[in-house]
Amino acid sequence: QVTLKESGPVLVKPTETLTLTCTVSGFSLSNARMGVSWIRQPPGKALEWLAHIFSNDEKSYSTSLKSRLTISKDTSKSQVVLTMTNMDPVDTATYYCARIVSGYYTGNYMDVWGKGTTVTVSS
Amino acid sequence: DIQMTQSPSSLSASVGDRVTITCRASQSISSYLNWYQQKPGKAPKLLIYAASSLQSGVPSRFSGSGSGTDFTLTISSLQPEDFATYYCQQSYSKGSSTFGGGTKVEIK
Repeated sequence: QVTLKESGPVLVKPTETLTLTCTVSGFSLSNARMGVSWIRQPPGKALEWLAHIFSNDEKSYSTSLKSRLTISKDTSKSQVVLTMTNMDPVDTATYYCARIVSGYYTGNYMDVWGKGTTVTVSS
Repeated sequence: DIQMTQSPSSLSASVGDRVTITCRASQSISSYLNWYQQKPGKAPKLLIYAASSLQSGVPSRFSGSGSGTDFTLTISSLQPEDFATYYCQQSYSKGSSTFGGGTKVEIK
């Protein structure tokens, strides 16, 4: 059974750096054609893709947030880490990680999601 | 960046109704379009990938169609458990992804 679980602080202060960890089980981060995405959702708003990383260590970031994001993985620990610098109250959201399956004919799709972790930015 | 526009943003329908949700891309994305369902307080769930492929375990009343810039998610006979928000997502751009703004399906 494939599962993903997000963990990190519930509350961060403005200007601080947020570090979130996604721990996966049921598959390996070294599996070809697989990766992990981070997505967030502010209260009452739509989903926003943030970043992804693939088994070959290929990384991509949201254009609007690229300067603030870093994604990395530790295959031995089955973990993907996202850091976001200079947090602001507008970054208050539920943050999800999801497994990506990638194919030439199918593109990338997120077939299994974690339950999400809620982060509030406030002083 | 590719923009994804969903319409309508919300709709009211009755159990048994046929429901159609549209997603339009700002440029051609071939068939690299996915659909997700999200219920309140829950993580999104994959329904359709590559525009028309039904994810394993998803009821056959859900279907997807389209290519290029215009896509459709259809629920052939709306069931009580289908009241939720639906999102499209493009994966055409190699280094990025985008979600639509969502369509909330409510009970009439």
